[in-house]
Amino acid sequence: GDSVTQMEGPVTLSEEAFLTINCTYTATGYPSLFWYVQYPGEGLQLLLKATKADDKGSNKGFEATYRKETTSFHLEKGSVQVSDSAVYFCALSRGSSASKIIFGSGTRLSIRP
Amino acid sequence: DAGVTQSPTHLIKTRGQQVTLRCSPKSGHDTVSWYQQALGQGPQFIFQYYEEEERQRGNFPDRFSGHQFPNYSSELNVNALLLGDSALYLCASSYTGTGPYEQYFGPGTRLTVT
Repeated sequence: GDSVTQMEGPVTLSEEAFLTINCTYTATGYPSLFWYVQYPGEGLQLLLKATKADDKGSNKGFEATYRKETTSFHLEKGSVQVSDSAVYFCALSRGSSASKIIFGSGTRLSIRP
Repeated sequence: DAGVTQSPTHLIKTRGQQVTLRCSPKSGHDTVSWYQQALGQGPQFIFQYYEEEERQRGNFPDRFSGHQFPNYSSELNVNALLLGDSALYLCASSYTGTGPYEQYFGPGTRLTVT
């Protein structure tokens, strides 16, 4: 069945460092791909998404490109801030936007001032 | 416009008991999905309700059941609680229709089974 594998954490970086969190997926066809973020004590928020191959999702300085050939959707940010400290989840879904979402196990990111 | 709301925020139950969690979707949404997030894990899909019927179901036992009301709000019921049911339960609402509609998540209910 469909699955998502993402880089295990925790990841600790200094402020202004470059961030990459790896994510690969297993699925037939062309699922939609997402990155969600969970700040401490809050629910999940959609960070960015891509719905077809070679699409680039971007938001708040974060980017991820849908790579069909490598079945990957790595999250990147050029210069992280302390406020980016959170847990990040890579996810996929099929069909309509109301379809169930399959999540990776999450990567905890901590940014040092 | 209120987002997705869930109640209660926290809950402590004993093994063997039953629990009911509640979710009110975002205004204009007609579909509610429930997820279980164990500590340190990603959310796992439990089931989804649309037009007051269960439309999709994940790999969860029948102890997990739900309901959707005419106003689109939803309940998640878990019977015969096990220690392993301790988790954050997330509700997500969305609109079923053509278009890139997003699923919006509530803050969750933290269930502890002792």
